[in-house]
Amino acid sequence: NAGVTQTPKFQVLKTGQSMTLQCAQDMNHEYMSWYRQDPGMGLRLIHYSVGAGITDQGEVPNGYNVSRSTTEDFPLRLLSAAPSQTSVYFCASSFKSGSTNEKLFFGSGTQLSVL
Amino acid sequence: GQQLNQSPQSMFIQEGEDVSMNCTSSSIFNTWLWYKQDPGEGPVLLIALYKAGELTSNGRLTAQFGITRKDSFLNISASIPSDVGIYFCAGHKSGTYKYIFGTGTRLKVLA
Repeated sequence: NAGVTQTPKFQVLKTGQSMTLQCAQDMNHEYMSWYRQDPGMGLRLIHYSVGAGITDQGEVPNGYNVSRSTTEDFPLRLLSAAPSQTSVYFCASSFKSGSTNEKLFFGSGTQLSVL
Repeated sequence: GQQLNQSPQSMFIQEGEDVSMNCTSSSIFNTWLWYKQDPGEGPVLLIALYKAGELTSNGRLTAQFGITRKDSFLNISASIPSDVGIYFCAGHKSGTYKYIFGTGTRLKVLA
């Protein structure tokens, strides 16, 4: 009963380093998304995907890249980390995008610190 | 970005008390979701609502989809220490890819 799996749980980067946050779901969900959660700002959408090969920007996409080569995986890439990207990152997925009776499921998060 | 208004922002209650919180929006939603988030963990879905006026329970939790479709309510009965956490709502419109999240209610239960 894995659901949405995120790795790593914690990460510390130096400014300018790159890394990839991994997200995988085993529920055959079409829709996958990445959020960042900052104090006082709530959950903000970074990027999302409505199926393999299809991605789009959310409200805070700058500094992040995504790709969706399979239904299961939706990695988030930081090409050149900046201190402003220090945050907790959540991956979330749902069965279908834009339909009724939706349920959005979250992973356990990645706490990222950029020094 | 847009956030839903959620109140209260925080609550301190005694174990055994009932709790009520609500979420309001200026927009109409087709789906309301309620989540609980523990420290260091991801949000866990508690209840999903899909129809105006719908009342749904999950154990000691009961949530309602407001009749105007612009609000939702969550009640917790007979609170226990493990109810501690942040509760937040999310609204979703059919035909869109976007979920709008509430600002959260931080609940503390005193034993």
